[in-house]
Amino acid sequence: AQSVTQLGSHVSVSEGALVLLRCNYSSSVPPYLFWYVQYPNQGLQLLLKYTTGATLVKGINGFEAEFKKSETSFHLTKPSAHMSDAAEYFCAVTADNDMRFGAGTRLTVKP
Amino acid sequence: GAGVSQTPSNKVTEKGKYVELRCDPISGHTALYWYRQSLGQGPEFLIYFQGTGAADDSGLPNDRFFAVRPEGSVSTLKIQRTERGDSAVYLCASSQTGRTDTQYFGPGTRLTVL
Repeated sequence: AQSVTQLGSHVSVSEGALVLLRCNYSSSVPPYLFWYVQYPNQGLQLLLKYTTGATLVKGINGFEAEFKKSETSFHLTKPSAHMSDAAEYFCAVTADNDMRFGAGTRLTVKP
Repeated sequence: GAGVSQTPSNKVTEKGKYVELRCDPISGHTALYWYRQSLGQGPEFLIYFQGTGAADDSGLPNDRFFAVRPEGSVSTLKIQRTERGDSAVYLCASSQTGRTDTQYFGPGTRLTVL
């Protein structure tokens, strides 16, 4: 079975600063990895996903993530935070069975 | 086009009562999923449908929980003899074919058991 650990339940950055949200996974088979964002009172929205091929994946709203097999990581980054990025972010992994989500990281962006 | 919809958006019930939560997936999506999200947690997998059949129900916590998808489209999650611990947001998602596809989530149903 697979699992996901998100390091840091809360991350706070200043507007314009780098955003780094950490995700480590465990999977016995090659994983598919996802980042979802949840804005207040809204459903989860896909930011990006890694299936196969290029390990650097670009998503919506300027986010990207890099799959590093040796580190079993799939960290999410954005070069410059915007106020509208404030939300809850979830990393998820699926292999040959159900999708497992991390506990989430709440991103706060300070003006 | 229309996304995944869920009704009701909020449901308050009393301990011991029966509830039904409905999910309308994106048209043409064969895969449908139910998750439960407790406060401060990520979504927890409950059940996965492929067409009309439950391909994986390993996440259902006990036999009080049941879900159906009789025509391969709309799905209903049914909870019998509700308990206060069932209080959570119940999320539905659909994807085009299978589990490695992008899942599109509905806004959820917030269930409160008093």
